[in-house]
Amino acid sequence: VLTQSPGTLSLSPGERASLSCRASQSVRTDYLAWYQQKPGQAPRLVIYGTSNRATGIPDRFSGSGSGTDFTLTISRLEPEDFAVYYCQQYGDTRVTFGQGTRLEIK
Amino acid sequence: QIALKESGPSLVKPTQTLTVTCTFSGFSLTTAGEGVAWIRQPPGKALEWLALIYWSNDNRYSPSLENRLTITKDTSKNQVVLTMTNMDPVDTATYYCAHREPLGYFDHWGQGTLITVSS
Repeated sequence: VLTQSPGTLSLSPGERASLSCRASQSVRTDYLAWYQQKPGQAPRLVIYGTSNRATGIPDRFSGSGSGTDFTLTISRLEPEDFAVYYCQQYGDTRVTFGQGTRLEIK
Repeated sequence: QIALKESGPSLVKPTQTLTVTCTFSGFSLTTAGEGVAWIRQPPGKALEWLALIYWSNDNRYSPSLENRLTITKDTSKNQVVLTMTNMDPVDTATYYCAHREPLGYFDHWGQGTLITVSS
C-alpha cells in the first residue's frame, strides 16, 4: 500500500512543494514513479526510478527517497504545475498507485 | 513515436461482460521487454491498476479483481484486449491503457475511455 500526504496541498506560484509517498513495505528505488494528472487528461509520467525525470519534464521537478519514504519536490511552482500527483510502485509482479495529492493554488 | 487509444462501449448493463481494446503504434509486443497495462479511474477517485501483459505472453492481474479479468494480445493487429466479467455500477470509470517501458514504468498513456455501468 502506498499512502500519499498531504491529501491536498495549497501553495502559491513560486513556492516550493514537497509531496510525500510512504510504502507499507520497502520499495526498490528502481521501481518508484510519480505521475501528474490534470483535469480531463490522462496521467503523465514525471519521475521514474525514484529520481529520474521523464522526457520533457523541467528540472524544477525532483524525486528522492529510499526504503519506504519517497518525496516529489517542485522547487518553484509554476501555474501549470497545479494538478493531482500520484506515486506508483512497479515491479515484476504487481503495480500499485497511491491515492494522490491534489496541489492547488492558494 | 508511441501512441495508444482505447475503444469500447460507453455503456454496459450490470452483470454483463466488458470488452475494451487498446490499439497502439510505435512499439511491438513481439519485442523483448515490452508490455501494456490497463488502469482505471472512477470519477473523482484515484488510479487503480488492473492488468499487465508482457511480450512473452506472461500476464499479471490486480489481486482484488483477478477472478474477473482476462488480458490478451493480438500482435498482428497491435492490440491488447481486456475483458471484465460481471460488471457492476461501482466499475464505472475511465479505463486507460498504457505502454509499460521495459524498466517497468508507464511512459505513454491513451486518452482513456469512460465506461458507465447502468441498467
